[in-house]
Amino acid sequence: TQLLEQSPQFLSIQEGENLTVYCNSSSVFSSLQWYRQEPGEGPVLLVTVVTGGEVKKLKRLTFQFGDARKDSSLHITAAQPGDTGLYLCAASGNTGKLIFGQGTTLQVKP
Amino acid sequence: EAGVAQSPRYKIIEKRQSVAFWCNPISGHATLYWYQQILGQGPKLLIQFQNNGVVDDSQLPKDRFSAERLKGVDSTLKIQPAKLEDSAVYLCASSLNIGLLNSPLHFGNGTRLTVT
Repeated sequence: TQLLEQSPQFLSIQEGENLTVYCNSSSVFSSLQWYRQEPGEGPVLLVTVVTGGEVKKLKRLTFQFGDARKDSSLHITAAQPGDTGLYLCAASGNTGKLIFGQGTTLQVKP
Repeated sequence: EAGVAQSPRYKIIEKRQSVAFWCNPISGHATLYWYQQILGQGPKLLIQFQNNGVVDDSQLPKDRFSAERLKGVDSTLKIQPAKLEDSAVYLCASSLNIGLLNSPLHFGNGTRLTVT
């Protein structure tokens, strides 16, 4: 069974601080995605990474896929209250089945 | 484009009762997914359809859960009889096709089920 472990599970920080969320697995994945979910809504795709070592930037968010395609990180610079939400990593193996991590709940206080 | 529509938004039932959820995917999306998300956890795939055929239902508790997508468009997920541990948000998602790189998932806002 392929498992994705996210850390930390909860993060509460002040506006303006930086943070990093991690997503780790013992399995190799063909691609990995990061989603953000707000209360009462479904997850929304932020980014898909495919190549080992790949780095993608989305405004203040930086996503990195590990060289071995087993892990990924999400770094947020100068967090804002609007960044508050549940961050989920999800990965697909050869079967195309999308597996989610348990999520990181981020709270950014003004 | 219109997003994935789900109804109802909320449902409260007693254990051993039955409940059904409805999903209307984005027009033209061949692949439809039902996920269960328990509070504080990531979504867990229950069943995946490609058009009206089942691709993966390995984590669907088939003794009480059933799902169908008869015409390859709308889908319903049913629980009969419900248990307390079924309390969760049920998310429907659709994608253009299988193959996540070119077919990202689009999620509905879910149905929050409370079983008392």
